[in-house]
Amino acid sequence: KAGVTQTPRYLIKTRGQQVTLSCSPISGHRSVSWYQQTPGQGLQFLFEYFSETQRNKGNFPGRFSGRQFSNSRSEMNVSTLELGDSALYLCASSLGYGIRDTEAFFGQGTRLTVV
Amino acid sequence: TQLLEQSPQFLSIQEGENLTVYCNSSSVFSSLQWYRQEPGEGPVLLVTVVTGGEVKKLKRLTFQFGDARKDSSLHITAAQPGDTGLYLCALNDYKLSFGAGTTVTVRA
Repeated sequence: KAGVTQTPRYLIKTRGQQVTLSCSPISGHRSVSWYQQTPGQGLQFLFEYFSETQRNKGNFPGRFSGRQFSNSRSEMNVSTLELGDSALYLCASSLGYGIRDTEAFFGQGTRLTVV
Repeated sequence: TQLLEQSPQFLSIQEGENLTVYCNSSSVFSSLQWYRQEPGEGPVLLVTVVTGGEVKKLKRLTFQFGDARKDSSLHITAAQPGDTGLYLCALNDYKLSFGAGTTVTVRA
C-alpha cells in the first residue's frame, strides 16, 4: 500500500511569508502528527490530529498551525516565517489515537528553507 | 518532561566492525522505541522494547532494555554500509519524544 505522502518535497520562502505543507496519510490511518527536525534541536513534536481535531500540541508558537480534513489528509501552516523555521518537516500517520507504542509511519518530509 | 540522552553523537566505523549506541534517561520509562532514519527519508521504526531486561534481535541488530528501564542499547554486529543512518530512540507516550540521535557511518 502507498506510504505517507508529503508535498512539496522542497520549498524556499522569504522571511515574513507564510507556507502550507500537505500530508496524505496511509489509507485507513486516521491520526496524523507533525514534527520539525533541525540539526540543533533534533526531532520535535508539533501537533497531532485525529478525526479532524487537534488532540495534542507541542511547545511551538502560535505561528504554527494545522488542520485535518475528513479524508484524514492534513496540512500545516507557518505564518510570518523566520530564518529559524528552516527545517525538515515530517508528517507521521498511525492507525488510531491514544494507543501507546503504536507504530508511526513517516513521510519523506518537506525541506523548508527560509531566506 | 522526560529527556532521552543518546551517545555517542557520531560513530564512524569500517564495514565488518561492531558498534553499540546508547539511550539513557534519568527517569524510568514504560517502553522505548528505536528508529533509523536514512538520508532524505523519514524515520522508520525498528523495534519497541517494553519489559525491563528485554532483548530483541532483528537480524544483525540487538536491542536491550535495561533492568531498571532507564536505559537501552542498540548493538550492530558486522556492520554494513547499508546500516549507515541516524539512529533515534524515542518515548511513545501518545506522542513521540526523540533523543538527539546517533549518526552512524559505515565505510566500505
